[in-house]
Amino acid sequence: EIVMTQSPATLSVSPGERATLSCRASQSVSSNLAWYQQKPGQAPRLLIYGASTRATGIPARFSGSGSGTEFTLTISSLQSEDFAVYYCQQYNNWPLYTFGQGTKLEIK
Amino acid sequence: EVQLVESGGGLVQPGGSLRLSCAASGFTFSSYAMHWVRQAPGKGLEYVSAISSNGGSTYYANSVKGRFTISRDNSKNTLYLQMGSLRAEDMAVYYCARTSPTGGSDYWGQGTLVTVSS
Repeated sequence: EIVMTQSPATLSVSPGERATLSCRASQSVSSNLAWYQQKPGQAPRLLIYGASTRATGIPARFSGSGSGTEFTLTISSLQSEDFAVYYCQQYNNWPLYTFGQGTKLEIK
Repeated sequence: EVQLVESGGGLVQPGGSLRLSCAASGFTFSSYAMHWVRQAPGKGLEYVSAISSNGGSTYYANSVKGRFTISRDNSKNTLYLQMGSLRAEDMAVYYCARTSPTGGSDYWGQGTLVTVSS
């Protein structure tokens, strides 16, 4: 099983600033990496797939990068609605998908 | 509009059974693989089970193998998860999610809560 490790567990950032979240895979997943946002009481929402492609309707302030085992999600200028938990997910081999443990993005 | 609506959650005793359903609409259900994903209270996301578009291939996480059965009825646009021998650690919100052809899971239901307690 591919293990996904996210860091940090919690990130405190002020509105308007940039947030950088990291995700590492235990083995290469090529670019088969997605990012999700989850707010309390809601289902996850797909933000990024293919490591760097924004899903439909996702604002341009969200960007993803990386390949192989190291990935980054960047939110360029944090809005109030961006404070949430973010998960990375590898989908290198259907259906053996795995998630990271999540990064909680909180207001500083 | 794509919609996934789960139902069937509730309170069940340890060792009991429950069947979850996920009604799909707004897309050609028979063309998509589907997953069940769960989230224990205050915890992260865990893939539980998956099924191919025609139902011919299924997958189970080790934690539920032998106890859960995934199935689908493409004529009814519905996904199922039959859960048996339920344990306290199975208590979670269960989501159904559509496998995107471009990667990841692009649509999710609102979730249904399964509580396992005596």
